[in-house]
Amino acid sequence: QQQVKQSPQSLIVQKGGISIINCAYENTAFDYFPWYQQFPGKGPALLIAIRPDVSEKKEGRFTISFNKSAKQFSLHIMDSQPGDSATYFCAASGNTGTASKLTFGTGTRLQVTL
Amino acid sequence: DTEVTQTPKHLVMGMTNKKSLKCEQHMGHRAMYWYKQKAKKPPELMFVYSYEKLSINESVPSRFSPECPNSSLLNLHLHALQPEDSALYLCASSQAYSGQPQHFGDGTRLSIL
Repeated sequence: QQQVKQSPQSLIVQKGGISIINCAYENTAFDYFPWYQQFPGKGPALLIAIRPDVSEKKEGRFTISFNKSAKQFSLHIMDSQPGDSATYFCAASGNTGTASKLTFGTGTRLQVTL
Repeated sequence: DTEVTQTPKHLVMGMTNKKSLKCEQHMGHRAMYWYKQKAKKPPELMFVYSYEKLSINESVPSRFSPECPNSSLLNLHLHALQPEDSALYLCASSQAYSGQPQHFGDGTRLSIL
């Protein structure tokens, strides 16, 4: 019940295209859903996050869509650029009191081609 | 540059050595985390400190010993590690309540000979 399922495992998109990564969760106690971007040799960097009282959040070219009833959320990268080539992790966390315990998806390796 | 600083960036050690990984943050966060990440896998939580007290230990072997000397520092003491412990060790910090973004350092790449 603690798992977050992420798909696809890898994704190749042409420059200017839309990249879409999907995640699904089971635990209805999750109340915070961040997306992280990780480049080789670097730590994960917070990209964008959403809470379940909102169905969509947009920051620049990045949009999270959230479907609470389906227990699914997705990341859309508009006008994808070669610099977006990285591994993306969705995550979810629930109320643990004084900390934020993240459950990560398995990751999606995105390659944006010219 | 990340706001969570980890040292060293790389570490090679033998199975009988004792070494420590260090993490520092100056964002005023009162929750700090250690993760282990193997290649092409997501980070796996090891330990959580909240207000300098250990609040979560994800059944990590005792050869890993965390320490939080103050609100800005987090250490991970290593002793008698195994080759399978070779991985990227990530530190993160956040505000000390639920649903807060975690900020990661760039990690220490650990290789066990």
